[in-house]
Amino acid sequence: QLQLQESGPGLVKPSETLSLTCTVSGGSISSSSYYWGWIRQPPGKGLEWIGSISYSGSTYYNPSLKSRLTISVDTSKNQFSLKLSSVTAADTAVYYCASLDSSGYYLLDWGQGTLVTVSS
Amino acid sequence: DIQMTQSPSSLSASVGDRVTITCRASQSIGNYLNWYQQKPGKAPKLLIYAASSLQSGVPSRFSGGGSGTDFTLTISSLHPEDFATYYCQQSYSTLPLTFGGGTKVEIK
Repeated sequence: QLQLQESGPGLVKPSETLSLTCTVSGGSISSSSYYWGWIRQPPGKGLEWIGSISYSGSTYYNPSLKSRLTISVDTSKNQFSLKLSSVTAADTAVYYCASLDSSGYYLLDWGQGTLVTVSS
Repeated sequence: DIQMTQSPSSLSASVGDRVTITCRASQSIGNYLNWYQQKPGKAPKLLIYAASSLQSGVPSRFSGGGSGTDFTLTISSLHPEDFATYYCQQSYSTLPLTFGGGTKVEIK
């Protein structure tokens, strides 16, 4: 079982870029068994898939966020990252990182989540 | 996008009850359907993948069924720790992966 931990600012100003990092332990981020993903949950609401990245660096973005989104991997640090630009209050949410099974695309292990608030 | 519709959105049940939650996809997704449990303030936890496969460590009172567009999650006998919100998620189309709106299981 992998352990994942999100890190990054809890408060971002409108129009700025939200940046989060997920550190993976208990396994290699280069493993072909996994993809790596970000999911968010606005307060009191349901889950929204943001995007994923494969062990080879291929990215899969939610079309609704694609124009503002970058997901990348740093294999030397066993981390992957999320950058979401031009944020608004609608981007306020708990952001989760997770591992995905590379064949079934189900979400196996999750980080604890981090609340990011967009406010001036 | 493939839309996932869960019903009911909430239900009240007692310890020991049998509970069934339904998830319907807007198009056929084969058996690419997964179920998660989320407790307040916690990350979701995978219960069932590929419609009916029980994730390791998940109690056998949880079971999943269905294929195509209609799926169910059944808890055979509700335990106190099962009161939570349950989400379905399709993984047939990865662009984007989509979730149902959730079903909150509350204590009667």
